[in-house]
Amino acid sequence: EPEVTQTPSHQVTQMGQEVILRCVPISNHLYFYWYRQILGQKVEFLVSFYNNEISEKSEIFDDQFSVERPDGSNFTLKIRSTKLEDSAMYFCASSGGAGPSTDTQYFGPGTRLTVL
Amino acid sequence: AQSVSQHNHHVILSEAASLELGCNYSYGGTVNLFWYVQYPGQHLQLLLKYFSGDPLVKGIKGFEAEFIKSKFSFNLRKPSVQWSDTAEYFCAVNPSGTYKYIFGTGTRLKVLA
Repeated sequence: EPEVTQTPSHQVTQMGQEVILRCVPISNHLYFYWYRQILGQKVEFLVSFYNNEISEKSEIFDDQFSVERPDGSNFTLKIRSTKLEDSAMYFCASSGGAGPSTDTQYFGPGTRLTVL
Repeated sequence: AQSVSQHNHHVILSEAASLELGCNYSYGGTVNLFWYVQYPGQHLQLLLKYFSGDPLVKGIKGFEAEFIKSKFSFNLRKPSVQWSDTAEYFCAVNPSGTYKYIFGTGTRLKVLA
């Protein structure tokens, strides 16, 4: 069964550094997402991406964050200047379908980001 | 604000006991509903989903959930749990016309052998 994969599984960085989290969505999916879960809190939606554009984002997804599909298989989340409060598990997801609310999102295993 | 509540944070059951995990959401419009499971050390896996039609949906591993629109609820049930059901269970709601899933806090289920 095809799965969403994410690398690295754990990333440690210093405050103020840039990090890039990588995801390989399921191959025939066209919609891509990032979520995060701060320890002890809920999984929170960050952004959705389709056709090389952001289709929806939350208030968490500010100018520090950006997403990109640099090639035909990868989907990345960049945090420009990390803060302590960016420490969290970041989940990538992908879905097929034909627009919002038309298909199920499938999640990757997550990248644990630790900002020191 | 749109939110999802899972009232049971930790549940401990013996094998063969019946399970019901509550999920309520606050959103007045049409929604898609999901239960995901996360086994220890693994990623979120889809257990079952509701988009439309029969409000009683069946998922994998003997799980089912019932959508009660009037109660804004989507409770998860299993008649007889097994030790291998030990995991964390997440309810998620997708308001129609949006891409975001809104998650509950999760319920940690421990099944004693």
